[in-house]
Amino acid sequence: AQSVTQLGSHVSVSEGALVLLRCNYSSSVPPYLFWYVQYPNQGLQLLLKYTTGATLVKGINGFEAEFKKSETSFHLTKPSAHMSDAAEYFCAVSEAGTASKLTFGTGTRLQVTL
Amino acid sequence: DGGITQSPKYLFRKEGQNVTLSCEQNLNHDAMYWYRQDPGQGLRLIYYSQIVNDFQKGDIAEGYSVSREKKESFPLTVTSAQKNPTAFYLCASADGMNTEAFFGQGTRLTVV
Repeated sequence: AQSVTQLGSHVSVSEGALVLLRCNYSSSVPPYLFWYVQYPNQGLQLLLKYTTGATLVKGINGFEAEFKKSETSFHLTKPSAHMSDAAEYFCAVSEAGTASKLTFGTGTRLQVTL
Repeated sequence: DGGITQSPKYLFRKEGQNVTLSCEQNLNHDAMYWYRQDPGQGLRLIYYSQIVNDFQKGDIAEGYSVSREKKESFPLTVTSAQKNPTAFYLCASADGMNTEAFFGQGTRLTVV
């Protein structure tokens, strides 16, 4: 069985500050890892994914995440927050080879202040 | 434009009534999924289908039913047996099980 833990249901940063959203996973087999973003009353949009290969993954809107197997982590970062980054972010895991059957974390709501 | 269409965006029903949520995709994807989203709980898998005329239960299938008679359509019925049906429902599709899922815009169901 797989699971995802997102530390912090709410994170607030100032515009221009570093964004760090934490995600730890549990999986008995090699995982595929994903970050999705959701704006109010909308569906989910894929930010980035890790399947195999390079452990530092770059995504859309300046976000990136690093897969650290020893720490079972896949934290999401962005060097400089923008007001438009305010949204809810979900980390998800799947078993290798079943990328679209996802187990989600409970989400982190990012607030960006002036 | 290719994509996933969920309708309606908002749906209100009386307690005890069955209701069907529509999900249509024109991406020619084989796999389709239904997730339920509740505040503070993330998304939970209700049902999924890897191919036409076949589907499997997810983690919270009780009180729900689906059909997959056409590749492009995967309707979800919320039955009166579902104890707490008020939620945001998201449909997704993928080009097989080995690729990332693409999501529709969701249907917010409120049962009164």
